[in-house]
Amino acid sequence: DAKTTQPPSMDCAEGRAANLPCNHSTISGNEYVYWYRQIHSQGPQYIIHGLKNNETNEMASLIITEDRKSSTLILPHATLRDTAVYYCIVRVGGGNAGNMLTFGGGTRLMVKP
Amino acid sequence: GAVVSQHPSWVICKSGTSVKIECRSLDFQATTMFWYRQFPKQSLMLMATSNEGSKATYEQGVEKDKFLINHASLTLSTLTVTSAHPEDSSFYICSARDLRAEAFFGQGTRLTVV
Repeated sequence: DAKTTQPPSMDCAEGRAANLPCNHSTISGNEYVYWYRQIHSQGPQYIIHGLKNNETNEMASLIITEDRKSSTLILPHATLRDTAVYYCIVRVGGGNAGNMLTFGGGTRLMVKP
Repeated sequence: GAVVSQHPSWVICKSGTSVKIECRSLDFQATTMFWYRQFPKQSLMLMATSNEGSKATYEQGVEKDKFLINHASLTLSTLTVTSAHPEDSSFYICSARDLRAEAFFGQGTRLTVV
């Protein structure tokens, strides 16, 4: 699985959009970009994933650059409860491929009042 | 999304005793479950891959005789930490894949060995 690079920490004001970047310059054509977050002392929570098109769900939006070497997770209106460590993971998706998730250091997002 | 339940959420045990942690997929069948360990301020590290009806596959450096994994059914995997020592104190997290191969995580178990 391709390696990802994320800033170790970020701050965001409550109510503002939080934009979390991720670099994955060695991503392969069949690898998806996944985002998970981990709130303190809890298991990781799935947020969103995508292959090459931008994706949006009730939690967030995922913007993937055209060359797929980087992506941005957007939390449109951050709340205090969004304070967590956000992990960007690249792996082969679907079927029996891409079994486990390999976690890097993630970005510690602190949402401030 | 699918629900993975982990029990207990926290446990304190004496050094030398064994502790069993359960991981259940509540609304789907999971042929594969994963066990992770997370030390304070560190990321999750994969310990082993648990396959229903067969032996688990352990990551390098993880002692299979110390961390016993049983995956007897499609909805239950257990991790037993045998002869626990204080250095085994950690946050243990399980994950299960559904048929779409998406991964869902349990809420984690905080083990403290005293």
